[in-house]
Amino acid sequence: DGGITQSPKYLFRKEGQNVTLSCEQNLNHDAMYWYRQDPGQGLRLIYYSQIVNDFQKGDIAEGYSVSREKKESFPLTVTSAQKNPTAFYLCASSITSGVYNEQFFGPGTRLTVL
Amino acid sequence: ELKVEQNPLFLSMQEGKNYTIYCNYSTTSDRLYWYRQDPGKSLESLFVLLSNGAVKQEGRLMASLDTKARLSTLHITAAVHDLSATYFCAPHSGGGADGLTFGKGTHLIIQP
Repeated sequence: DGGITQSPKYLFRKEGQNVTLSCEQNLNHDAMYWYRQDPGQGLRLIYYSQIVNDFQKGDIAEGYSVSREKKESFPLTVTSAQKNPTAFYLCASSITSGVYNEQFFGPGTRLTVL
Repeated sequence: ELKVEQNPLFLSMQEGKNYTIYCNYSTTSDRLYWYRQDPGKSLESLFVLLSNGAVKQEGRLMASLDTKARLSTLHITAAVHDLSATYFCAPHSGGGADGLTFGKGTHLIIQP
């Protein structure tokens, strides 16, 4: 089955630690995205990548880093510089050449800072 | 900077009733998406609207787009409990595969 997987589902972090969230897709999509969702809020764009070895900052990139070494994978690192990282993190992917370029979302990772 | 405003943010309604959710956005957009989110879950794509006057329907949900007014609506007909969820609109601006800007969502509760 084609889809997007994220791991872990739940993640607990101590203050001052870096943590990495995994996102993998087997949809053969060129573009991948990371969003953050806070309770009762919409999604905000952290980073996105339209092609391997290239990525762009979104609206709230400070305190986060990404890499795109493989088409299938787009891991997100939440660094200790991120002041309030507790949130629900969603990864998405899409094609880049279509009419709709619809984004499909993974199941999400819920990060809690202790 | 693209700004998106949804209203209402919270809606409680009875089964069998009709209602409309509104999505206003501030700058030109080439397409607009509607998503559904169940509590604690990810987002599920509902509609993609591409052009002015576009209308799409799926079951009891119908979405429309007025690009001149920068307004999209999601209309619910004869609501049923299973439609209880949070609904997000996300207009797209910029390049072909840039990220989306989401509204804050409309939390919809449908009571028997």
